[in-house]
Amino acid sequence: GENVEQHPSTLSVQEGDSAVIKCTYSDSASNYFPWYKQELGKRPQLIIDIRSNVGEKKDQRIAVTLNKTAKHFSLHITETQPEDSAVYFCAASKVYGNKLVFGAGTILRVKS
Amino acid sequence: DSGVTQTPKHLITATGQRVTLRCSPRSGDLSVYWYQQSLDQGLQFLIQYYNGEERAKGNILERFSAQQFPDLHSELNLSSLELGDSALYFCASSVTNTGIGDTQYFGPGTRLTVL
Repeated sequence: GENVEQHPSTLSVQEGDSAVIKCTYSDSASNYFPWYKQELGKRPQLIIDIRSNVGEKKDQRIAVTLNKTAKHFSLHITETQPEDSAVYFCAASKVYGNKLVFGAGTILRVKS
Repeated sequence: DSGVTQTPKHLITATGQRVTLRCSPRSGDLSVYWYQQSLDQGLQFLIQYYNGEERAKGNILERFSAQQFPDLHSELNLSSLELGDSALYFCASSVTNTGIGDTQYFGPGTRLTVL
């Protein structure tokens, strides 16, 4: 089955710096890749997603890139702010049976 | 607020007991997914229902079962509870089960503590 690896497990950045989180997936049939942000004890919240027919997507300070050949995708957060501190999860799914397979998560700490 | 509701918010029970977790999807969403989040296993898919029928099964134990009712709400039943079942249980919903990746919106979760 699908396996999603996520790196790094923790990431500390200074406020205003950029943060990059990377994920690789194993199943070449996967074609939907969402990113979720989860604050302590709260629900995972979708922050951005990308589908396999697109190589890059941007939403204000957040961007996601996808390399289908290499089977990896990345989350880029620019101009980080303290409120960006949270756990970020990448995930992958296929067309049918849309279960999400999650990475292990990245704890992002933005220091002010 | 995602529009997905879950009850109860917290549940404390003893080993060997049975509990029922409830989820109401967003208005118009036909698919409901259940996920378990524990410290050692991360976010794991359990089971998916689409318009009342089971569509996909993940690493769901035989002691666990679920169903989706005609009004599209779903219940996850956990029986013969063990200490290791303590976790956050999330429900998510999406519009449909077809197409390239339907966005899943998560509910607030139910925190289950088994003592």
